[in-house]
Amino acid sequence: DAKTTQPTSMDCAEGRAANLPCNHSTISGNEYVYWYRQIHSQGPQYIIHGLKNNETNEMASLIITEDRKSSTLILPHATLRDTAVYYCIAALIWESGGGADGLTFGKGTHLIIQP
Amino acid sequence: DSGVTQTPKHLITATGQRVTLRCSPRSGDLSVYWYQQSLDQGLQFLIQYYNGEERAKGNILERFSAQQFPDLHSELNLSSLELGDSALYFCASSVGVGMNEQYFGPGTRLTVT
Repeated sequence: DAKTTQPTSMDCAEGRAANLPCNHSTISGNEYVYWYRQIHSQGPQYIIHGLKNNETNEMASLIITEDRKSSTLILPHATLRDTAVYYCIAALIWESGGGADGLTFGKGTHLIIQP
Repeated sequence: DSGVTQTPKHLITATGQRVTLRCSPRSGDLSVYWYQQSLDQGLQFLIQYYNGEERAKGNILERFSAQQFPDLHSELNLSSLELGDSALYFCASSVGVGMNEQYFGPGTRLTVT
């Protein structure tokens, strides 16, 4: 799986959009970008994933650059409950012959939502 | 609530002992994954089972073993425990093999004294 790089920590004001960047310059064509978050010592929570196109669900939006070397997770209206460590993961999909291994979590970004 | 359950929530035991952690996946999920999270190592993948068969191994020590039963619940066995095995142990499940949308349980906090 490709290595990802994220800032160690970020602050965001409550009610504003939180934009979390991730660099994955060595990502291969059949690797998806996944985002998970972990709220203090709870189990990680799946947020969203994408390959090339931008994706949106009820939790967040994922913007992937055209060259796929970086992406941004957007939480449109951050609340205090969004304070967590956010992990960006590049992972092969099963159809590409990968995806059988577990996820490789890095250190992530500690997002702190300020009241 | 992810639908994945883990027991016990907390476990305190002594060095050299053996413990068993239990996980029940979400209804309909066939894959179970085990992860270890310690302060110095972060979140690390240990092992995956799919429909009762071992599918993939990560950084799992030889002192650790796991299995998945016909009802799809899984157990992680940790033996000859050392102080360094103190960690949070998470179980995750997914619908099929190689599915990266994994749903994590609340974890078991193991303290070895």
